[in-house]
Amino acid sequence: GQQLNQSPQSMFIQEGEDVSMNCTSSSIFNTWLWYKQDPGEGPVLLIALYKAGELTSNGRLTAQFGITRKDSFLNISASIPSDVGIYFCAGQRLENYGQNFVFGPGTRLSVLP
Amino acid sequence: GAGVSQSPSNKVTEKGKDVELRCDPISGHTALYWYRQSLGQGLEFLIYFQGNSAPDKSGLPSDRFSAERTGGSVSTLTIQRTQQEDSAVYLCASSLDFRTGGYGYTFGSGTRLTVV
Repeated sequence: GQQLNQSPQSMFIQEGEDVSMNCTSSSIFNTWLWYKQDPGEGPVLLIALYKAGELTSNGRLTAQFGITRKDSFLNISASIPSDVGIYFCAGQRLENYGQNFVFGPGTRLSVLP
Repeated sequence: GAGVSQSPSNKVTEKGKDVELRCDPISGHTALYWYRQSLGQGLEFLIYFQGNSAPDKSGLPSDRFSAERTGGSVSTLTIQRTQQEDSAVYLCASSLDFRTGGYGYTFGSGTRLTVV
């Protein structure tokens, strides 16, 4: 079945550092989404990507849709304590248009002061 | 409503009992999705509705799980004869319709189910 892998699984960084995480799949996806989940809350959409090679920013966040369409990357610049949480990627294949997204297992980010 | 509302927020039940989880989507959203998140895990797709119809029920883990949606609004996820492995956070999400679902869903805060 469709599966997404995220790396790293978890990371501990110092406040002010930049963060990079990625999401990979053996299948081709035509849409990639990045979500963040705070403790006790549902995931909140950060960035959506629809085209191979697309690079999109949202404040300190930048995400890219991989050229192969099998991966996506999320970067966070100058991390702050409120960046703590779980970051999920989600993908949708063209044949599943209008159906559900497949979610990765998440990257848990901890920011040390 | 302004956001996706789920109730109850927490539910503790005894093994073997039935439970009902409720999701009230954003007003006007016709597409509704149920996901399950086990401790430390990602989101596992369960079922989605377009209007009152559920085109794909293949994500439901077993026949103890069922879901319905009435009036194109509120949805109920029912788990019969609960087992300890059913313990998880059940998340509901909605989107304007199945097309705009491609722009991302809006999630509720979830129902944390604990089976003891």
